[in-house]
Amino acid sequence: GQQLNQSPQSMFIQEGEDVSMNCTSSSIFNTWLWYKQDPGEGPVLLIALYKAGELTSNGRLTAQFGITRKDSFLNISASIPSDVGIYFCAVRSSNTGKLIFGQGTTLQVKP
Amino acid sequence: EAGVAQSPRYKIIEKRQSVAFWCNPISGHATLYWYQQILGQGPKLLIQFQNNGVVDDSQLPKDRFSAERLKGVDSTLKIQPAKLEDSAVYLCASSFSTGANVLTFGAGSRLTVL
Repeated sequence: GQQLNQSPQSMFIQEGEDVSMNCTSSSIFNTWLWYKQDPGEGPVLLIALYKAGELTSNGRLTAQFGITRKDSFLNISASIPSDVGIYFCAVRSSNTGKLIFGQGTTLQVKP
Repeated sequence: EAGVAQSPRYKIIEKRQSVAFWCNPISGHATLYWYQQILGQGPKLLIQFQNNGVVDDSQLPKDRFSAERLKGVDSTLKIQPAKLEDSAVYLCASSFSTGANVLTFGAGSRLTVL
């Protein structure tokens, strides 16, 4: 089936550092999404990408839709403690229309 | 606006017992989703409703799971009988329409099956 691979699986960084994580697939997708899940909460949409090569920012977050339409990355600049959580990439299946989530990247920030 | 409400937040049951989860979506959202999130994994869609009709239930284990959205507003997800592998967080989400990328999730109902 269609799968998304996120890396790294987890990260432990110092406050103030920049963070980069990515998401890859063996299939082409036309919509890439990044969600964040805080502990004990549901995922919240951070950034949506609709065009190959598109670079989109949301505050300290920047995400890019890969030119091959098979990958995307998310960068967080100058991390702060509230960035802690699990970051999921998601794509919309062209076959079923369903959202498919990656397995997540867990971020921990040391003050 | 009020978010997606779910209850209960936590439930502990023994295997072979039954459990039900309730979800009230954002007012005006026609599409409602139930996701299962096993520890360490991303959410997996169980069932999707458009108003009171089922759009997709291909990954719902229908021998034990059932869901309904009778009046096209709130929804219940039932598991009977529960198995150990059903231990997970059950997330409800809603969106304005099918195909919308902006899903609003509830906080989830954490199920532990002993």
